Amino acid sequence: DVKVTQSSRYLVKRTGEKVFLECVQDMDHENMFWYRQDPGLGLRLIYFSYDVKMKEKGDIPEGYSVSREKKERFSLILESASTNQTSMYLCASSPPTSGSLDEQFFGPGTRLTVL
Amino acid sequence: LAKTTQPISMDSYEGQEVNITCSHNNIATNDYITWYQQFPSQGPRFIIQGYKTKVTNEVASLFIPADRKSSTLSLPRVSLSDTAVYYCLVTIYNQGGKLIFGQGTELSVKP
Repeated sequence: DVKVTQSSRYLVKRTGEKVFLECVQDMDHENMFWYRQDPGLGLRLIYFSYDVKMKEKGDIPEGYSVSREKKERFSLILESASTNQTSMYLCASSPPTSGSLDEQFFGPGTRLTVL
Repeated sequence: LAKTTQPISMDSYEGQEVNITCSHNNIATNDYITWYQQFPSQGPRFIIQGYKTKVTNEVASLFIPADRKSSTLSLPRVSLSDTAVYYCLVTIYNQGGKLIFGQGTELSVKP
């Protein structure tokens, strides 16, 4: 069964801390994504990666960075957490776009609170 | 610049057919539309995908008119367990697969 796991379901951090959110997929997917989800705003893409060591900015990359050292793992890093980064963070993965079906598989999410 | 718009919320009753429409301007013929379902405390889950006319699977149908300015997710005979948030996603093929999510439609199914 397809699986995307995220390291924490709930996380509380203080302003200025460096925060790591980890995502692992077991489907050998090339593509991985990080989104944040806020009420009334839906899902917004932060960063994505099409291959190991590759990264591309999404719509809201400011204040975030990512790391993809292994195919199965995609990390989101908040260099210096701020209160406006309090949100639900969702990781997803998908196989290479084939033109026939492009389904993203999502993890359960990490609810991050920055105090 | 493509943008997707969905109703914020909808109400229905068990056994009814529910149609949720997503408006998306300026999409090309090879851009495709995907719908996801999300329950509380879970990540979104794929429902259906298509880029023209009609697609049907075991849980839903997707209708895309010729002008491609909108698409409609159709859920036949909903049950209480279909209460969820439904997201429309447009993938812009000639912009490297740029992803444009709608804001989500909260569907409430009542007995």
